Amino acid sequence: DARVTQTPRHKVTEMGQEVTMRCQPILGHNTVFWYRQTMMQGLELLAYFRNRAPLDDSGMPKDRFSAEMPDATLATLKIQPSEPRDSAVYFCASGTNTIYFGEGSWLTVV
Amino acid sequence: AQKITQTQPGMFVQEKEAVTLDCTYDTSDQSYGLFWYKQPSSGEMIFLIYQGSYDEQNATEGRYSLNFQKARKSANLVISASQLGDSAMYFCAMREIKGVGIQGAQKLVFGQGTRLTINP
Repeated sequence: DARVTQTPRHKVTEMGQEVTMRCQPILGHNTVFWYRQTMMQGLELLAYFRNRAPLDDSGMPKDRFSAEMPDATLATLKIQPSEPRDSAVYFCASGTNTIYFGEGSWLTVV
Repeated sequence: AQKITQTQPGMFVQEKEAVTLDCTYDTSDQSYGLFWYKQPSSGEMIFLIYQGSYDEQNATEGRYSLNFQKARKSANLVISASQLGDSAMYFCAMREIKGVGIQGAQKLVFGQGTRLTINP
């Protein structure tokens, strides 16, 4: 079965370190989303791309977060510098009509 | 503005009973899609069912069906013959479509979720 693949699955890092999360969307999907999930805020949209072009990153703290799609098989979400409040599960999702999620990257910043 | 409302923070249901999870949405667009996802304790987000705003019939996928009432702007998920493995968080989501075709599809917006517990 085709699936959205995210790496790393789990990451523990120290405050101030750079974190890069990667996503391989399902081949042929034209839209890629990055979401963050916390107990307090629920699912928040950080950014999304259509045909690799960024459409909306208004949910992303611009001073420390960046999202890119260098090619159709790779989307990245970078946090620099990381802070404890960034601890969350980060989901990548892709689709054209129906949207499918990856298993998430569980980030802990200490 | 809240686009997706799930009014039931938690629900408890006996095994084998049917359960309805409520979802109402707010949009002024004529073209949109409605989704339900299941999130078990392991954390993954599992796609369950999709309903397009122009679909005449309610969507069904196995034990899942979507009770779509367009005039009331509701898209309730019905799970028939519930099983212990159905215990999870359930999220309703909407994607508006502006312009022509899927190229106009916008971001996917989620409700706060309903935690469903199936009791043996």
